[in-house]
Amino acid sequence: EAGVVQSPRYKIIEKKQPVAFWCNPISGHNTLYWYLQNLGQGPELLIRYENEEAVDDSQLPKDRFSAERLKGVDSTLKIQPAELGDSAVYLCASSPPSSNEQFFGPGTRLTVL
Amino acid sequence: QKEVEQNSGPLSVPEGAIASLNCTYSDRGSQSFFWYRQYSGKSPELIMFIYSNGDKEDGRFTAQLNKASQYVSLLIRDSQPSDSATYLCAVNQGGGATNKLIFGTGTLLAVQP
Repeated sequence: EAGVVQSPRYKIIEKKQPVAFWCNPISGHNTLYWYLQNLGQGPELLIRYENEEAVDDSQLPKDRFSAERLKGVDSTLKIQPAELGDSAVYLCASSPPSSNEQFFGPGTRLTVL
Repeated sequence: QKEVEQNSGPLSVPEGAIASLNCTYSDRGSQSFFWYRQYSGKSPELIMFIYSNGDKEDGRFTAQLNKASQYVSLLIRDSQPSDSATYLCAVNQGGGATNKLIFGTGTLLAVQP
């Protein structure tokens, strides 16, 4: 069974530029999460989708971050404009129906210069 | 008080010994508890979950939960150098069917050959 797929794996941009990350969850998993992980810290939830509905986006900085999951499968997370403090690893995870178990993708390491 | 607390370590154990990793949490309503392993530069990997008080064993791993003390631990028997990684404790927030996990900062385990 294929795992969670994310792209790109690495991204280097200059501050004030836009950036987008893509995630394809495990087949059949209806819940999708975007996390941010800083060095030496645990993952922090940015947004959670149940199918195509964003059910928890309370931690998403909406002035610069946006996300979508139009058909309830793959998802895109965007930052515009990026700031130096956005440098981190962005993780996508998914869960099957009626389960709390979350399975993570490989992540995207973002460096903002 | 942090919602999920772990000693950052490093916890150093000799090969073949038992490694004991501990985690405390603040939300008494939490019902699901997870242990993730994260190798350096990699994404978190789910290794154990526990929902009920007591012990749950899976191979060399044992998860222990004490809801009265708000304490969850992970024991690794016959530790191997390949077990060297950061171990993240995650707790669901709010109880019930919520899928929101709060992660600790992780404990770095170093198994010495």
